[in-house]
Amino acid sequence: GEDVEQSLFLSVREGDSSVINCTYTDSSSTYLYWYKQEPGAGLQLLTYIFSNMDMKQDQRLTVLLNKKDKHLSLRIADTQTGDSAIYFCAESNTLDQLTFGKGTKLSVIP
Amino acid sequence: DAGVTQSPTHLIKTRGQHVTLRCSPISGHKSVSWYQQVLGQGPQFIFQYYEKEERGRGNFPDRFSARQFPNYSSELNVNALLLGDSALYLCASSQHIGQGAPNTEAFFGQGTRLTVV
Repeated sequence: GEDVEQSLFLSVREGDSSVINCTYTDSSSTYLYWYKQEPGAGLQLLTYIFSNMDMKQDQRLTVLLNKKDKHLSLRIADTQTGDSAIYFCAESNTLDQLTFGKGTKLSVIP
Repeated sequence: DAGVTQSPTHLIKTRGQHVTLRCSPISGHKSVSWYQQVLGQGPQFIFQYYEKEERGRGNFPDRFSARQFPNYSSELNVNALLLGDSALYLCASSQHIGQGAPNTEAFFGQGTRLTVV
């Protein structure tokens, strides 16, 4: 079955880089996504990567995909206190139905 | 443009009752999906509708049902509520679905927080 795994917590100092890691099991995944959820809010799409790419950069965000190892990472450069949130990794199947990890809670220390 | 809108934002129901949650997708989006997010967990896929037809169903009991209307809005219905149905119910919309299709990324609403007592 499909499964997405993430570490549950990450703590970084303001200004440092954050790296959130994710592993997935479904080799037929088409797109892989990163969503951000702030307390009491819905999910905000941050970025996504097509499964035949290995890197995507979008301003402070860098996504790396190792398809062989089924490993996805999200790097946030110059992390700010406003980046404190829960980050979800998700994979989509051929009908774009998403399977989410449990989320990584990022805490940014001023 | 308005994003995905869900109503109500919060509600409290008693065990055994029925609930209807509503979702309006982004204008021009034809796909609506429903997800259940229990506290401390990631969202879990419940249903997907595209062009008013059910295209997918997650591992949820028959107490859960949904439909999509001609204007692409959607309702999620849950019968015989259990305490374990307490969760944030999220609706997501996308323009299209299908492997390789453009504009398939899902945009989520703020959710409906359901508490069953």
